[in-house]
Amino acid sequence: EAQVTQNPRYLITVTGKKLTVTCSQNMNHEYMSWYRQDPGLGLRQIYYSMNVEVTDKGDVPEGYKVSRKEKRNFPLILESPSPNQTSLYFCASSSETQGYQETQYFGPGTRLLVL
Amino acid sequence: QKEVEQDPGPLSVPEGAIVSLNCTYSNSAFQYFMWYRQYSRKGPELLMYTYSSGNKEDGRFTAQVDKSSKYISLFIRDSQPSDSATYLCAMRGFKTIFGAGTRLFVKA
Repeated sequence: EAQVTQNPRYLITVTGKKLTVTCSQNMNHEYMSWYRQDPGLGLRQIYYSMNVEVTDKGDVPEGYKVSRKEKRNFPLILESPSPNQTSLYFCASSSETQGYQETQYFGPGTRLLVL
Repeated sequence: QKEVEQDPGPLSVPEGAIVSLNCTYSNSAFQYFMWYRQYSRKGPELLMYTYSSGNKEDGRFTAQVDKSSKYISLFIRDSQPSDSATYLCAMRGFKTIFGAGTRLFVKA
């Protein structure tokens, strides 16, 4: 079954405590990205990756890091979380054909609360 | 001004009604236009995508793009209670930008 998995699904942490949210896809997709979803603001892209070792900033990259050492994995790292990073996070992956993004699959989401 | 504007609703309709969901945008560089459906506590799922202006139909869903007016629509015919969800428009030029989403309720 084609899927994107994220872990953990729910996380409560405190300001400044480094955390990593993992994302993995089993579809051999080149393109992966991270979004955060906040009420009234919709989905905003944090970082994206076109392929292994190729990452770039999205619209709201401040306070986040990513890495793409393997095609299937794209972890999101919060080095020093702050309360304004409390949000619902989605990982997504898709294949690309000549720059045209095919079906994009989203993970189930990670709900993060930073106290 | 946001790059993509979408009425958050909620929009409540009776079963069987035709639903019209809309987004406007300001960036003329957008080339690809998508609609996603998001059920509560789930990730968005891609419903429709179109390239440039025109219509695209898939079952009960029709996506319409008017680039001259910078306006896109999603029509749902014969709406069902199972269509109750949040619908997100998205547009892609150099980057993908999402609308805030419209909550739709279809009453049985």
